[in-house]
Amino acid sequence: SYVLTQPPSVSVAPGKTARITCGGNNIGSKSVHWYQQKPGQAPVLVIYYDNDRPSGIPERFSGSNSGNTATLTISRVGAGDEADYYCQVWDSSSDHWVFGGGTKLTVL
Amino acid sequence: EVQLVQSGAEVKKPGESLKISCKGSGYTFTNYWIGWVRQMPGKGLEWMGIIYPGDSDTRYSPSFQGQVTISADKSISTAYLQWSSLKASDTAMYYCARHGTTVTNPADYWGQGTLVTVSS
Repeated sequence: SYVLTQPPSVSVAPGKTARITCGGNNIGSKSVHWYQQKPGQAPVLVIYYDNDRPSGIPERFSGSNSGNTATLTISRVGAGDEADYYCQVWDSSSDHWVFGGGTKLTVL
Repeated sequence: EVQLVQSGAEVKKPGESLKISCKGSGYTFTNYWIGWVRQMPGKGLEWMGIIYPGDSDTRYSPSFQGQVTISADKSISTAYLQWSSLKASDTAMYYCARHGTTVTNPADYWGQGTLVTVSS
């Protein structure tokens, strides 16, 4: 079964750039999607197909995917970006979705 | 407006059965996959399975295969997640989510979640 690895936590100062990684074997050959989940709320899709943004998601959110690592980048981070972030891919070899373990973003 | 409205919180005893629901509106229910996701207290998201209401094509995560049943009633635009015999370890928040018209599309709309508590 395909495994996605995320750091448990990332901390960043306000106004700086946060980078959250998602590691997987040859993940660059897959499409990666990212979800934001704030406490007590349902997840929200923030990046899909590696680097597309749904309507309503600020341009500060971007993604990249190459080799064995996909990255969610959040620029000009503010307190409102504090949340858990999850990466997700479709594992075509087993026909099911896989989530990463999640990364808690803390704004210092 | 696309909406997924889930049934309310449940408190059950071990061994009891349960069926929770997810009603879609604002789009053609039969044309989009609906997935289910578990979130245990203080833990991450776990993908459980997915169904295409148009023909009831269903896929399960190996971790949940045989443990739950996913179904849909397209006449009332509702998807279901059910257990035949609950365990304490099934205590969690359960979310439904709408994927696209193909199973490999991401989840673009989510329900509000259904909290299931299993305790003797």
